[in-house]
Amino acid sequence: GDSVTQMEGPVTLSEEAFLTINCTYTATGYPSLFWYVQYPGEGLQLLLKATKADDKGSNKGFEATYRKETTSFHLEKGSVQVSDSAVYFCALSPNTGNQFYFGTGTSLTVIP
Amino acid sequence: NAGVTQTPKFQVLKTGQSMTLQCAQDMNHEYMSWYRQDPGMGLRLIHYSVGAGITDQGEVPNGYNVSRSTTEDFPLRLLSAAPSQTSVYFCASSYSSGQDNSPLHFGNGTRLTVT
Repeated sequence: GDSVTQMEGPVTLSEEAFLTINCTYTATGYPSLFWYVQYPGEGLQLLLKATKADDKGSNKGFEATYRKETTSFHLEKGSVQVSDSAVYFCALSPNTGNQFYFGTGTSLTVIP
Repeated sequence: NAGVTQTPKFQVLKTGQSMTLQCAQDMNHEYMSWYRQDPGMGLRLIHYSVGAGITDQGEVPNGYNVSRSTTEDFPLRLLSAAPSQTSVYFCASSYSSGQDNSPLHFGNGTRLTVT
C-alpha cells in the first residue's frame, strides 16, 4: 500500500546551518506530495507541495523537489532560524482514493 | 477567518465514559477527516467523509464513530473510552479528496487523556 518514510529525529542544528530532512514514498501512479509543519501546541500547517515529477515546491526559504526516479521528496533549507524549530511531516495524496498518508514526523530544534 | 475549529482543547475521561469531540469548518470543504497523533507513529487516519451523509473508515476506526449531517460539522464519538485512546486528535478538511491536489487544513487539536 501507499506509505511515507521520513528520517528519524530529533534533529538539532545551529542557527544558519543547512537543513535536509529526507522523505521517501511508496505509491502507485503519480501522487501529490506535501510537507507540513507543526509548531508546539498547534495543528499542522501546509509548508509546500508538489503535484508532479520534477516539480519543486518552495515556501519561506524551504524547498523540496518531487523525484520520481528515487521516489523522494527531501526538504531543504539553506540557513535555518530559531523560529524554524518545529515538527515536520512529509505526506502524500494518491491520485486515486480518499486518503492522505503521513510520515512519522521529524522534530527540528535550532539553537542560537 | 476561523478555518477548522475543534473543541474542547483538553479533556480527561475515566475508562468507560463516552464523549464527543467537535469539529467545524467554515470553508465549505467537502472532505473532512479525523486523525490521532501518537509519539513515534505520526498521524493515523480514524474516519473520513467525502460529503454530507457519507463516511468511511480509515486505518484505526475501532472504538470511534462519526457522522456527517452537514457540510460544516464532523463530530467524533468515543463510545466507551479506553486508556489506549489517550492521544492528540486532529480534525482536518480539504476542498475535496486528494484527487485534485487540495491540501488538508488542520484544527489545533484536542488532547485527550483516559485514566
